Amino acid sequence: SQQGEEDPQALSIQEGENATMNCSYKTSINNLQWYRQNSGRGLVHLILIRSNEREKHSGRLRVTLDTSKKSSSLLITASRAADTASYFCATVSTSGTYKYIFGTGTRLKVLA
Amino acid sequence: GAGVSQSPRYKVAKRGQDVALRCDPISGHVSLFWYQQALGQGPEFLTYFQNEAQLDKSGLPSDRFFAERPEGSVSTLKIQRTQQEDSAVYLCASSPLQGSTEAFFGQGTRLTVV
Repeated sequence: SQQGEEDPQALSIQEGENATMNCSYKTSINNLQWYRQNSGRGLVHLILIRSNEREKHSGRLRVTLDTSKKSSSLLITASRAADTASYFCATVSTSGTYKYIFGTGTRLKVLA
Repeated sequence: GAGVSQSPRYKVAKRGQDVALRCDPISGHVSLFWYQQALGQGPEFLTYFQNEAQLDKSGLPSDRFFAERPEGSVSTLKIQRTQQEDSAVYLCASSPLQGSTEAFFGQGTRLTVV
């Protein structure tokens, strides 16, 4: 019943490389957000992009949004071992209640 | 408080037992959400409160699940007659506005039903 699908499901890269994760969703959205979750911990908000924005940057993070394709991507540049975590996209719909609907997640492993 | 606080962090329940999970949101946050996260999956929406009003409970899997936020701050998720498939991490989140900003998550309660 989750709205978003993310790919890849798992990604393993070397420290210093870039990591790209993709998210697709199904309905019209107000905004899309990316969260990180370390093993056994809660989710931490990374970045929010509104439906009228196409790209946003925050530090080593770059997010793009294509509402015509109902998809988003998260790019982490110059990855570090500390970036090892699961990454989830979450959408807030334009209709109904303002709940956050999460994707299935990408498990990123950065090797030192 | 400094963040969203959930208690207990871990709960082991025997099948058929009732459990109550508590969430203390960030002070002043209007919106409060409960999510269920199975191992290796993304969080699944359970229910949403705006202040004390439960505006959306479409994600509650059965009538054994009940949530309340009587004074618009602390919330309790109650699961009656627990079953093994209820084993999961239950996450609580709060936000100051209705979905237009980020959600702040607690550390979760890991429920294991044996």
